[in-house]
Amino acid sequence: NAGVMQNPRHLVRRRGQEARLRCSPMKGHSHVYWYRQLPEEGLKFMVYLQKENIIDESGMPKERFSAEFPKEGPSILRIQQVVRGDSAAYFCASSPGGTENTEAFFGQGTRLTVV
Amino acid sequence: AQRVTQPEKLLSVFKGAPVELKCNYSYSGSPELFWYVQYSRQRLQLLLRHISRESIKGFTADLNKGETSFHLKKPFAQEEDSAMYYCALSPPKTGFQKLVFGTGTRLLVSP
Repeated sequence: NAGVMQNPRHLVRRRGQEARLRCSPMKGHSHVYWYRQLPEEGLKFMVYLQKENIIDESGMPKERFSAEFPKEGPSILRIQQVVRGDSAAYFCASSPGGTENTEAFFGQGTRLTVV
Repeated sequence: AQRVTQPEKLLSVFKGAPVELKCNYSYSGSPELFWYVQYSRQRLQLLLRHISRESIKGFTADLNKGETSFHLKKPFAQEEDSAMYYCALSPPKTGFQKLVFGTGTRLLVSP
């Protein structure tokens, strides 16, 4: 099991472009979580998804950000019209279930730089 | 408000010395507390969870509800312990679903 795979590892976008970050969960995992780490800060929860459902998006900025986890394929975090303040490391984690005892495993992150 | 504070950005010790990485939290209720570790060029991984009461790689952490602290300790540091350490909390009964992380402490163990 290769673990949670995120790609790309590094992404550079100009202001106003779109950024698409992908997360392939571990085999057998149907729950995905996205976190953002701004410079000099801790990871902050953004969104929790199950296959085809958004369970909790309380940490998502209200505009320009969206996430999906389709029945087939990776989970996608999409940022439209990126701004410099979106520059951060974005981490994805996955777990096999949503109960309190199912550990979530993290990917290596995508570092987004907006120029 | 939910908050995790790790006051030290960097902790530098010599091999064999005791280590204590500080973590204080703010939460109205009884959260669950975790320590995560990230070794160089590796993924963030769970080190320990307060409800498990385990000792992992010689590390222990005791939850002090009175002081709202969850400090990570090891009696004798090893060079391979050098890494970033993050303290995190989650609301009761949510486990790993919605973690709140501190800013991390870099531990550097010198020979």
